[in-house]
Amino acid sequence: EAGVAQSPRYKIIEKRQSVAFWCNPISGHATLYWYQQILGQGPKLLIQFQNNGVVDDSQLPKDRFSAERLKGVDSTLKIQPAKLEDSAVYLCASSGGLAGAKFFGPGTRLTVL
Amino acid sequence: GQNIDQPTEMTATEGAIVQINCTYQTSGFNGLFWYQQHAGEAPTFLSYNVLDGLEEKGRFSSFLSRSKGYSYLLLKELQMKDSASYLCAPSRHYGGATNKLIFGTGTLLAVQP
Repeated sequence: EAGVAQSPRYKIIEKRQSVAFWCNPISGHATLYWYQQILGQGPKLLIQFQNNGVVDDSQLPKDRFSAERLKGVDSTLKIQPAKLEDSAVYLCASSGGLAGAKFFGPGTRLTVL
Repeated sequence: GQNIDQPTEMTATEGAIVQINCTYQTSGFNGLFWYQQHAGEAPTFLSYNVLDGLEEKGRFSSFLSRSKGYSYLLLKELQMKDSASYLCAPSRHYGGATNKLIFGTGTLLAVQP
């Protein structure tokens, strides 16, 4: 069974630039999550999709972050413009059952200079 | 709201047993996950408890007491490769078929020879 795929694995940008991350969940998984993990902290939920609808985006900084999941499969997370404090690993996870996220992708490590 | 408390760091000796405790307060609680995260890698699923009691899976066991808002992860016969961060993550039910997974900051376990 293929796992959760993410790209790119690493990204370095300057502040005020834009960046986009892509996630392909495990086939058939209806729930998709984007987490932000700052070094030394646990993952923080940014947004949760159920199929192509948003379930929770209460911690998404909507002035600069956006996410979509067209057709209920792949998802993209965008930051525009980036700030220094956005430097983190962005993790995508998917779940096919009633219980929470079980399968994480390898993450995208973002460095904002 | 949600509040998760677990020790920041622990040290143990190879071959020993270690218990990592987690206390939580969350509304709509419907289960608790434990994840393992090695440095620079994505979290990997270890266990899921929804009922009170002990769930054993090889060298790892997880315990849950819903009435006390308490869980622990027990690691036996410690190996050097068990050095990692262990994340406690209560799951919260939204309504319908959706759940929200919230992570603690994690406990960094160092296994020494």
